Amino acid sequence: KQEVTQIPAALSVPEGENLVLNCSFTDSAIYNLQWFRQDPGKGLTSLLLIQSSQREQTSGRLNASLDKSSGRSTLYIAASQPGDSATYLCAVKPRNTGFQKLVFGTGTRLLVSP
Amino acid sequence: EAQVTQNPRYLITVTGKKLTVTCSQNMNHEYMSWYRQDPGLGLRQIYYSMNVEVTDKGDVPEGYKVSRKEKRNFPLILESPSPNQTSLYFCASAHDGTVAYEQYFGPGTRLTVT
Repeated sequence: KQEVTQIPAALSVPEGENLVLNCSFTDSAIYNLQWFRQDPGKGLTSLLLIQSSQREQTSGRLNASLDKSSGRSTLYIAASQPGDSATYLCAVKPRNTGFQKLVFGTGTRLLVSP
Repeated sequence: EAQVTQNPRYLITVTGKKLTVTCSQNMNHEYMSWYRQDPGLGLRQIYYSMNVEVTDKGDVPEGYKVSRKEKRNFPLILESPSPNQTSLYFCASAHDGTVAYEQYFGPGTRLTVT
């Protein structure tokens, strides 16, 4: 059974720091991995989608990498801002249970202080 | 604006009183899904639908029903809600259920069953 883990559960940094959020998954048989941002009362916003054949994806100050063989992904946030404060979730689409669902981690709650 | 909408956003009800949470998307997506989010457990899939009149169970379907009579709507029905269904519910949609497409999420419905 695929399990997704995100460490740390919470992270607090001062504004301007570069930071890395970690995501690990137990079964490397995945179709893709997606990073989301969750803001209170606003649902989930998709940040980056990495297909299993890809190594990384970039969007603005965000860079996500995928090492499928080791079951790891990282989300790198450059020059963090208070507006980056949110909970970040990663989710994988597993192969062995079909392509109809995502398996989520429990998230990393990020606080960027001015 | 492309979006997934849910109603109501907040709901407090009593045990046994039937309720429906609506979900609608305006992107002509074939695939729709319901998840619930609980502390420490992450998001778990309840039901999904690959297209009109095609639905299937996710990981935690007990106590829930769904229907997909129109492409844009995917309501979640709780025939006899119980306190263990107190949770944050998300509806999601994607172009279809295949590997390449990312999922878009609604803003969430916070349900409390007393």
